[in-house]
Amino acid sequence: EAGVTQSPTHLIKTRGQQVTLRCSPISGHTSVYWYQQALGLGLQFLLWYDEGEERNRGNFPPRFSGRQFPNYSSELNVNALELEDSALYLCASSGWIQETQYFGPGTRLLVL
Amino acid sequence: QQQVKQSPQSLIVQKGGISIINCAYENTAFDYFPWYQQFPGKGPALLIAIRPDVSEKKEGRFTISFNKSAKQFSLHIMDSQPGDSATYFCAASIKMGAQKLVFGQGTRLTINP
Repeated sequence: EAGVTQSPTHLIKTRGQQVTLRCSPISGHTSVYWYQQALGLGLQFLLWYDEGEERNRGNFPPRFSGRQFPNYSSELNVNALELEDSALYLCASSGWIQETQYFGPGTRLLVL
Repeated sequence: QQQVKQSPQSLIVQKGGISIINCAYENTAFDYFPWYQQFPGKGPALLIAIRPDVSEKKEGRFTISFNKSAKQFSLHIMDSQPGDSATYFCAASIKMGAQKLVFGQGTRLTINP
């Protein structure tokens, strides 16, 4: 069974630019979660999508947004990038009413 | 109240020893407590998880101990091996509801050969 996949693996952007990160969940999983892992910090919850709808949002500004497609894959968009957005962005997926979240390898974003 | 506090931040254990990582929480609505293992450059991988209706769960060399009254839980790694060297995160969530995982700050474990 294929795991959660994310693309790209690495990304370098400059301040003010916009970035889109992509995630494909495990087959059969309908929920996708996004987390930010900044250097030296723990994982901070960003967004939860289920059945195409945003279900919950963490304490992040509106320039962090996303969506989930009918095939349950998801995108995370970050507008007006700031230096502190440099982090590992992790996507996780889970099945219907399953608490276990399985993580992808992440996308490492560097903002210069 | 949504925080999960994890200690220690870093831990060095000799090969064959017992590694112990502790976590504490405040929100009594949490009902699912997983531990994740993360190697450098990789995403976190689920190691073991526990629900509050049991006090201990063991899977191989990994054991979770859970103290509901104290709102604390811990990970014990028996016979620690160099391959166990990684960062470990405890987490907590509410099954029905927000379903987001609240993570501890992580413990960098080093097993000396």
